Amino acid sequence: EADIYQTPRYLVIGTGKKITLECSQTMGHDKMYWYQQDPGMELHLIHYSYGVNSTEKGDLSSESTVSRIRTEHFPLTLESARPSHTSQYLCASSEMGRANTGELFFGEGSRLTVL
Amino acid sequence: GESVGLHLPTLSVQEGDNSIINCAYSNSASDYFIWYKQESGKGPQFIIDIRSNMDKRQGQRVTVLLNKTVKHLSLQIAATQPGDSAVYFCAEITYGGSQGNLIFGKGTKLSVKP
Repeated sequence: EADIYQTPRYLVIGTGKKITLECSQTMGHDKMYWYQQDPGMELHLIHYSYGVNSTEKGDLSSESTVSRIRTEHFPLTLESARPSHTSQYLCASSEMGRANTGELFFGEGSRLTVL
Repeated sequence: GESVGLHLPTLSVQEGDNSIINCAYSNSASDYFIWYKQESGKGPQFIIDIRSNMDKRQGQRVTVLLNKTVKHLSLQIAATQPGDSAVYFCAEITYGGSQGNLIFGKGTKLSVKP
């Protein structure tokens, strides 16, 4: 079992609300990621971090932002949610050395619905 | 059971049979290939990886085959069990490309009939 946790698991909110999806890992991993996944579809990288104070944009453009103030914590924020943000958001982490071989540990995801 | 073609969105097999899930890739410079399993309502779980200079790697009940000539990757599951029912994703990493991050392919949904 991977020690990476996401909250909330499910969230239904109205348009224009600010939301933060939480992600925490207790494995001491330096590298962390946020992926976006529509039902039954492939995962798209939206943000990643190499460590504290490091944040990078992924391959898929996203209006969300992230921060990395502590190694174990990598929250994702949407300042003003819209229906187009409806999706599942998956957080993951990896050891820096193992990141090169693609071994990521994923959380169970946060399913966001914006009405 | 065996999937037909380069990519099949769904694959249904009988419990106890062997399963073969296929994946085509386009980047000949990929350095690592990985298979992930995603059960319903959960995040993906790492199954097995293979380096680009290898053509076969075996794990517990799973084997990954890499054919670089035709840019084809497959995951073989022996004696498929109901617990193997999930969506399987192939992914690749290219060092120096996409900042060395995983690029996921489209998934294949495996259903195991009892």
